[in-house]
Amino acid sequence: GAGVSQSPRYKVTKRGQDVALRCDPISGHVSLYWYRQALGQGPEFLTYFNYEAQQDKSGLPNDRFSAERPEGSISTLTIQRTEQRDSAMYRCASSLDRGLGYPNTEAFFGQGTRLTVV
Amino acid sequence: TQLLEQSPQFLSIQEGENLTVYCNSSSVFSSLQWYRQEPGEGPVLLVTVVTGGEVKKLKRLTFQFGDARKDSSLHITAAQPGDTGLYLCAGPGGSNYKLTFGKGTLLTVNP
Repeated sequence: GAGVSQSPRYKVTKRGQDVALRCDPISGHVSLYWYRQALGQGPEFLTYFNYEAQQDKSGLPNDRFSAERPEGSISTLTIQRTEQRDSAMYRCASSLDRGLGYPNTEAFFGQGTRLTVV
Repeated sequence: TQLLEQSPQFLSIQEGENLTVYCNSSSVFSSLQWYRQEPGEGPVLLVTVVTGGEVKKLKRLTFQFGDARKDSSLHITAAQPGDTGLYLCAGPGGSNYKLTFGKGTLLTVNP
């Protein structure tokens, strides 16, 4: 696709329910990231995939959060037993062929999923 | 974890004014990036600075990387309402794949 696509754009769920957030990266992009962003703040790293391998999940807040990218393309971030503190904008980003820490590697961000837990 | 502190957190100015926002760290970064995020959108890369003392210009925006590669600044000349947004600096977060962001400077340019 033309850009990183995330769905749904908005999700309202009741506390205790499970939610699955989807990210469709730019075609051919090897690296995929999940970030969480509070309003007016910078994105906070959650997890990173290189192809289908989850290389780093150190930013996931607790074991209710998990992510997968089984075929090295689309990724799903799942939050089990949601809590109100999980409410945030969840952003996915992808980059072409290497990690974002390399100079001149550009991260392409999706529009995000706004999750509200009530 | 390498931290990036941005200042000011909020900035509201009139169209035509000049401004500078800052990104500082106690750690040395191999590179720093600046992103702009408009309301409802994801961050979009503006520039990457790599060499200490480097200056890059993008139309009315001037980016500078400190000599010691611990800080960076973004200067906007003759700001326009279209410059309104959240300006984020980001750098490698202790590895070659993790990008750590500052909290950002929220800029509002009033007509």
